[in-house]
Parts: sequence; structure tokens; C-alpha cells
Amino acid sequence: DIQMTQSPSSLSASVGDRVTITCRASQSIITYLNWYQQKPGKAPNLLIYAASSLQSGVPSRFSGSGSGTDFTLTISSLQPEDFATYYCQQSYSTPRTFGQGTKVEI
Amino acid sequence: EVQLVESGGGLVQPGGSLRLSCAASGFTYTNYWLHWVRQAPGKGLLWVAHIGLDGGNTNYADSVRGRFTVSRDNADNTLYLQMNSLRAEDTAVYFCVREITTSSGRSFDCWGQGTLVTVSS
Repeated sequence: DIQMTQSPSSLSASVGDRVTITCRASQSIITYLNWYQQKPGKAPNLLIYAASSLQSGVPSRFSGSGSGTDFTLTISSLQPEDFATYYCQQSYSTPRTFGQGTKVEI
Repeated sequence: EVQLVESGGGLVQPGGSLRLSCAASGFTYTNYWLHWVRQAPGKGLLWVAHIGLDGGNTNYADSVRGRFTVSRDNADNTLYLQMNSLRAEDTAVYFCVREITTSSGRSFDCWGQGTLVTVSS
């Protein structure tokens, strides 16, 4: 199985901050990497697919980059509604493994 | 509107069984692989199982293989997860998820609201 490791596990930030979350795969997954946002009590929501493609309806302050084993999710200017937990996921192979999550807090 | 609605969760004793259902609407159901993903209280996301377009291609997480069975009814647009020999560690919210495949890759683009399964005596 491909292991996905996110860092940090949590971070504190303020509105307007630039936030970066990293995700590392245990082997190359090319660009089969997705990012999800989850708010408490809700289902996850797809933000970025194929490492850098913005899902329809997602604000442009979210961006993704990377290939191979190292990936990054960036929020260019943190908004109040962005405080949530973020997960990376590889879709290169089965099982479709997730990172452990990064909680973005005030 | 694309929608996935799970049902069937609840409280069950260890060793018991439960069947989850997921009703799909708003899209061509037979065009998509479907997955179950679970989330234990306060924990992260864990992939559980997937099923292919015609129901013939299934796979499971090691932790549930041999106890859980995923199936789909393409006439009724419904996904199922039969869960047997349930354990306390199976306690979680179970999400039904649609996987979209494009030239760029694969992603979980639509999620149900989740149904809570609690395994406890």
C-alpha cells in the first residue's frame, strides 16, 4: 500500500495568512494526488485533483503543486471559512490511501 | 443535482451485522466506480471498499476483507455495504463516494452525508 504523510498535523494561522500544507507519498504517484477539505460534522469536499487542477466552484485562493512523491496545497490568503481539516489522497492505486489530515485553526 | 444519500446505520452489538445503502441520483450511475470511506470518531479518513461499473470488480481494505461485501444495483441506482462480524473498531461514519475518472486522473468528486455505525454492547 502507498503511505501518505502530511505535515504539519495542525497549524495556527490568521485571516489573510498564506498557508502551505505538504503531502509526501511513499512511492511515486505521478500526479494522482487529490486534496479535500472537511469541516466538522460534514463530508469532505474535493478542492484539487490531479495535483494542481482546481475543482469547479472552488475559490482560486486554493492551489496545488507537485509530482512524483512531494506535493503542496497552498491557500494564498486564508479566509474565515477556510478553517477546517485538509486531507491529501492518492488515486494511483488501490487502496486509495489518505494522509492523516492537517487541521487549520485560528 | 448530483446526490448520494446513505442509510442503514445504527447501533449494533459486536459480532452483529448491518447493511448500509446509498441511493444515487442526478447522474448516470452506471458510468462511475463507487467507494465506501469511513471515519472513526475524531479520526481521519479510511478507504473501505470499491466496486466497478458492473459490480464485477471489487476490492477491500485489509481490515474489512472477508467481513464486508460491497454490491450495487444498477437498475435501482443503489450501492450497498453488507457488514458482518462487526467489531468495536468498525465504529465510524460511513460515506458513500463517487469516483470520477478523467484524462488527468481519478478523484472522489461527490460524497454522501454519511451514516453512523456504532458497534457496542
